[in-house]
Amino acid sequence: GENVEQHPSTLSVQEGDSAVIKCTYSDSASNYFPWYKQELGKRPQLIIDIRSNVGEKKDQRIAVTLNKTAKHFSLHITETQPEDSAVYFCASLYGGATNKLIFGTGTLLAVQP
Amino acid sequence: GAVVSQHPSWVICKSGTSVKIECRSLDFQATTMFWYRQFPKQSLMLMATSNEGSKATYEQGVEKDKFLINHASLTLSTLTVTSAHPEDSSFYICSASRGLAGAGNEQFFGPGTRLTVL
Repeated sequence: GENVEQHPSTLSVQEGDSAVIKCTYSDSASNYFPWYKQELGKRPQLIIDIRSNVGEKKDQRIAVTLNKTAKHFSLHITETQPEDSAVYFCASLYGGATNKLIFGTGTLLAVQP
Repeated sequence: GAVVSQHPSWVICKSGTSVKIECRSLDFQATTMFWYRQFPKQSLMLMATSNEGSKATYEQGVEKDKFLINHASLTLSTLTVTSAHPEDSSFYICSASRGLAGAGNEQFFGPGTRLTVL
């Protein structure tokens, strides 16, 4: 069945350090992997995404890597800032007949000033 | 950008009543809309997928007679929670996508509706 595992569930880093969140998906036909940031009580905001035809994508302090063979993808945030504190969700587009995203369980990132 | 709104942003109702939540795409036509439920400190769980003009596709374990979804136009989808009970209390979020299957079309999320059933 469709499943996305996400680790760690909580992550605390010092301001300026890097943070890495990892996800594993089960559907080998998945071809699109977005990452969302959600602040308390707010909507998820897309921060970066990657498609299956590339292995890495970077946008300023944020990068995502994808290993299709291992069915792993990771979010890397460098030079973390207190405003990066939020819950981060990875997702995988289920390779079926619908544009259906399967979400990971979320990572609560706390950046300590 | 693409803007999705939801109404109401929060609602409190008595057990046994029905509640309707609206999801609108304000500046684009949404071929597909999705409804998610999010319990506190948990992930987004897809409830159903709806395409304009056709019946919604419900995820396993979601009661279609309890959660009625209507996608009557390319800019509006509604979710009606019928005979709501306290266990239905949750954060309901919709999203909208311009495209159809497989292309990885971005989903734009609404701000969510906090439902509390007393």
